[in-house]
Amino acid sequence: AQRVTQPEKLLSVFKGAPVELKCNYSYSGSPELFWYVQYSRQRLQLLLRHISRESIKGFTADLNKGETSFHLKKPFAQEEDSAMYYCALRAGANNLFFGTGTRLTVIP
Amino acid sequence: SAVISQKPSRDICQRGTSLTIQCQVDSQVTMMFWYRQQPGQSLTLIATANQGSEATYESGFVIDKFPISRPNLTFSTLTVSNMSPEDSSIYLCSAPRDTEGQPQHFGDGTRLSIL
Repeated sequence: AQRVTQPEKLLSVFKGAPVELKCNYSYSGSPELFWYVQYSRQRLQLLLRHISRESIKGFTADLNKGETSFHLKKPFAQEEDSAMYYCALRAGANNLFFGTGTRLTVIP
Repeated sequence: SAVISQKPSRDICQRGTSLTIQCQVDSQVTMMFWYRQQPGQSLTLIATANQGSEATYESGFVIDKFPISRPNLTFSTLTVSNMSPEDSSIYLCSAPRDTEGQPQHFGDGTRLSIL
């Protein structure tokens, strides 16, 4: 069965410090992974997907199949990065399985 | 890219009543999805709504409790039936962006409270 684990419920970093939000997954098939972000009072929105291998708002995430991880990283955190971050795995047609989320707070 | 509108944005309902949530997408999509986010928890897929066929429900969710309609390629409804306080959640609609296989994009959600 598929499972997405985000071990940190809360994460606080100082502005300008590096940030890493952890995500581990369990899935027997070929995974497709995403990071979604929800800023205060806004809808859930896609941040990035592993297939694209792109950097969005300075964030990157690399799929590590050996460690079954898809950690989200940013070298220098900004105050506007404060939000709720969800890691998600797509299994099958379009089913998305979400982790429990990590609330990131960037301290000025 | 698809824009997803959901309504109502919130409601407070009495125990035992039913509420229908509407989801409108501004482009045609084959599949639409309904999720539930209980307080302090992550999103859980309720069902996949396919146009022209019955919805496919995930384990733990049944059609009698969460009937879904999908009359066309841009619209779906989710009804939460015979509500109890345990149904207090945020209900979200989503659809792939533009074409199938693309990542899902979400509506603003419906915040439902049952007294």
